[in-house]
Amino acid sequence: GESVGLHLPTLSVQEGDNSIINCAYSNSASDYFIWYKQESGKGPQFIIDIRSNMDKRQGQRVTVLLNKTVKHLSLQIAATQPGDSAVYFCAEKPLNTGFQKLVFGTGTRLLVSP
Amino acid sequence: DTGVSQDPRHKITKRGQNVTFRCDPISEHNRLYWYRQTLGQGPEFLTYFQNEAQLEKSRLLSDRFSAERPKGSFSTLEIQRTEQGDSAMYLCASRGGRSFDGYTFGSGTRLTVV
Repeated sequence: GESVGLHLPTLSVQEGDNSIINCAYSNSASDYFIWYKQESGKGPQFIIDIRSNMDKRQGQRVTVLLNKTVKHLSLQIAATQPGDSAVYFCAEKPLNTGFQKLVFGTGTRLLVSP
Repeated sequence: DTGVSQDPRHKITKRGQNVTFRCDPISEHNRLYWYRQTLGQGPEFLTYFQNEAQLEKSRLLSDRFSAERPKGSFSTLEIQRTEQGDSAMYLCASRGGRSFDGYTFGSGTRLTVV
């Protein structure tokens, strides 16, 4: 219910630290994964994506790792900044959904202190 | 601003009233999605349009919900006889082409049913 949803997993880090946010996805047939950042009062913002035929992809300060064996996805943020504070969601695209809808996981709140 | 626009940003309504939300996608995007997000949860897919055709509807979209995209540009989402359980953030997203990094969300409409 709503009370459970309010207790988001939270990761608290110091500015400059590296952050790792984890996600367990549900569908072994998913072929595409995305990490989104959502700030308060805003819609989700694309960070980085990865296809199921890859196990690692790097962007600017971010790296996504995919472990299909255990259905696990992680987002690594290097040199975390206060502006990175937000809720982070992983999303998967199940293979059999022809219309490209996304299935989102439970978010993780990242708090970065100066 | 070339992003996805949603209107209104906030709506408070009494239970039993009808409400309508509007989404203006990125102009060259032919695919449009509606999602619903409750507090602390990830967005949940509601419905999908390709141009003016509504091609998929979630089971979450009860008979009280209807969405249209009459000219393949903007879309509306109407909720009839609102219930307190309809209180949520309603997000619109649009996408063009094959790449998911163009899957862009709007800032949403926050609905509160009292």
